[in-house]
Amino acid sequence: KQEVTQIPAALSVPEGENLVLNCSFTDSAIYNLQWFRQDPGKGLTSLLLIQSSQREQTSGRLNASLDKSSGRSTLYIAASQPGDSATYLCAVPDSWGKLQFGAGTQVVVTP
Amino acid sequence: EPEVTQTPSHQVTQMGQEVILRCVPISNHLYFYWYRQILGQKVEFLVSFYNNEISEKSEIFDDQFSVERPDGSNFTLKIRSTKLEDSAMYFCASSATGGFNEKLFFGSGTQLSVL
Repeated sequence: KQEVTQIPAALSVPEGENLVLNCSFTDSAIYNLQWFRQDPGKGLTSLLLIQSSQREQTSGRLNASLDKSSGRSTLYIAASQPGDSATYLCAVPDSWGKLQFGAGTQVVVTP
Repeated sequence: EPEVTQTPSHQVTQMGQEVILRCVPISNHLYFYWYRQILGQKVEFLVSFYNNEISEKSEIFDDQFSVERPDGSNFTLKIRSTKLEDSAMYFCASSATGGFNEKLFFGSGTQLSVL
C-alpha cells in the first residue's frame, strides 16, 4: 500500500526566504504527484501536478521536482511572502481519483 | 474559474441523526469524489462516483454512507446514523474524465460536528 510522508511537519521562515518542502512515497510506480495548499478550515487548492514522465513543473514562484526512483518530490517556493502561510499537502493516485495524501507541512512566513 | 461548491459550510448534528452533505461539481466534469479529514489527520478517500454508480469505495465507506446524484448538478453524501467519530471536514471533488493525470478540483468543505 502506498504511504506518503511529509517532513517537516511544520516550518517557520522570515519573509523573503526560499521554502523547501519535502514529500516521499513508498511505491515508485506512480502516475503523477500533486501538490495542494490548504488554508485553515478551508478546502484544498491544487498548486501543481507533476506527471511521472516529468522531472519538474513550474508555476510562478513555485517549482516542484520529482524523482521517482528515490520516491521523492520537493516543492520550492521562492521569495516567500506572509500570504504563503498555509499547510501544503502532497498526494499520489492509488487508482482513478483515489489520492493518498501526506499529512502536510504547516508553513508560517513571518513579516 | 469554475469551482466545486459545497453546502453547508458547517453542520452540527446529534449522534444518531441523518445528515446530507451537498456538492455541486464543476459542470462538465464526469467523476465525483468524497474525501474527509478528521482533525489532525490526513485527508482520506471515501468514495468515487461515475455514471451514476460507485466506482470505488474505501473501508470507511460502510452501509451508513451513501452517495447520490439526484439531478444533473448536485452530488450528495448521506450519513444515515451519525456517530461521534464521523466528526470531520468532508470534501467533495470532481474531475473531467477521471484519468490518472487529471487534477482533482476540491470544494471548500463541510465541517461536520456530531454531538
